[in-house]
This record gives sequence, C-alpha cells and structure tokens, in this order.
Amino acid sequence: AQSVTQPDIHITVSEGASLELRCNYSYGATPYLFWYVQSPGQGLQLLLKYFSGDTLVQGIKGFEAEFKRSQSSFNLRKPSVHWSDAAEYFCAVGAVNYQLIWGAGTKLIIKP
Amino acid sequence: DTAVSQTPKYLVTQMGNDKSIKCEQNLGHDTMYWYKQDSKKFLKIMFSYNNKELIINETVPNRFSPKSPDKAHLNLHINSLELGDSAVYFCASSPQGIDNSPLHFGNGTRLTVT
Repeated sequence: AQSVTQPDIHITVSEGASLELRCNYSYGATPYLFWYVQSPGQGLQLLLKYFSGDTLVQGIKGFEAEFKRSQSSFNLRKPSVHWSDAAEYFCAVGAVNYQLIWGAGTKLIIKP
Repeated sequence: DTAVSQTPKYLVTQMGNDKSIKCEQNLGHDTMYWYKQDSKKFLKIMFSYNNKELIINETVPNRFSPKSPDKAHLNLHINSLELGDSAVYFCASSPQGIDNSPLHFGNGTRLTVT
C-alpha cells in the first residue's frame, strides 16, 4: 500500500542549529515528492518538490531535501534554523489520479 | 493579491445547522480541492474538481456537497452539521493533476460545531 511516514511527531532544535526532518515513503513507481510547511493559523505552502533529475533539491527559505531511492527517503534539511521556521512540516507523495499521500506531519519547535 | 481565498476564516455553529464555505482562486488553475485537517493535523482529501467536473470523491458523508459554478470557484456545503465535523477545512488548487504540480492552499476555515 502507498504510504508516507514521518517518524518524528515533533522535533526541538536550538536557533542556529542544523535541522533534518525525516520522510519515508512506500510507492510502487517513481514518486513525485513534496515538502510543505504550515505556519500556525495558515494554509500549507510548498517548500520544494522532486520530480526527476538531481536528487538534491533546493527549495525556498534555505531548505533542501535529498531523494534516496535505495532508502525510500526524502529528508528535509536546513543548515541553520531561524525562530521563524517553527511550524508543522508535511511530506507528501504525488500518486496517480490526482491523489496526494500525506505524512502525519512533524512539528518543529525552536529553542532560543 | 490572494491566490486562493476561502471564507469565512472562522465558523462557529450548532449541531444540525447547514453551512457553506466558499473558495476562489485567481491563479487560472484547472483543478481545485477540499481537504479536512483534524485536530491531530492529519490531512484528508475530500473532493477534487477539474474544470468543474468532480474527479475525486472520497468517502465522506453525503451531508457534504461540493459545488463548482466555474473553474475558479469550489464551494463546500455541509448539511446537518455534527460535532465530528469540527476541523479546519482547506481549499487548494493546482494547474493540473497533483502528480506533477504542487498545490496552492487557502488559509483554511476553522469550523467549530457546538
């Protein structure tokens, strides 16, 4: 069955520290992969996407993600987090027939 | 300029009432969606329309009825509201099918049923 797993419900990181949010997927074909961010009281905003080509994808706000087919992973990274990065982060896989399969989200908490 | 706008932002109502949430996108996208996000932040697709035609109709109660008067609008009408309908409802749009184009979300409508 197709699925997306974000193993960490929440992560706490000090401001200025590096960040990695994990995402694993189960999908039969070559996936289209997305990371979205949801700030409190807001809708979701696309951070980055992977369709094909270079497995290291750059996104907005200084985020990047790496697609590793052998590990079925698409982890999100940022070298140095800012307090404004505190939000909920969702990984998703684009399936056929207009469907998106969503992870459960990871809440990022920033310590001053 | 708001790309995907939905109204109202907050909606508090009593059980048994009927309510509507409106959504409009000015991006020229062909496909629009309604998502429900529960208290645990889990996102569940409810409906999707492509050029005013229903293409996704997930297992939701038939008290929920989407209406797309044109491809820029997708409204959600809910009859006989129940406590379990309390959630945040997100409208979204995309240029074409999700499999190769990202979603643009509205800011959500927080529905509270008392």
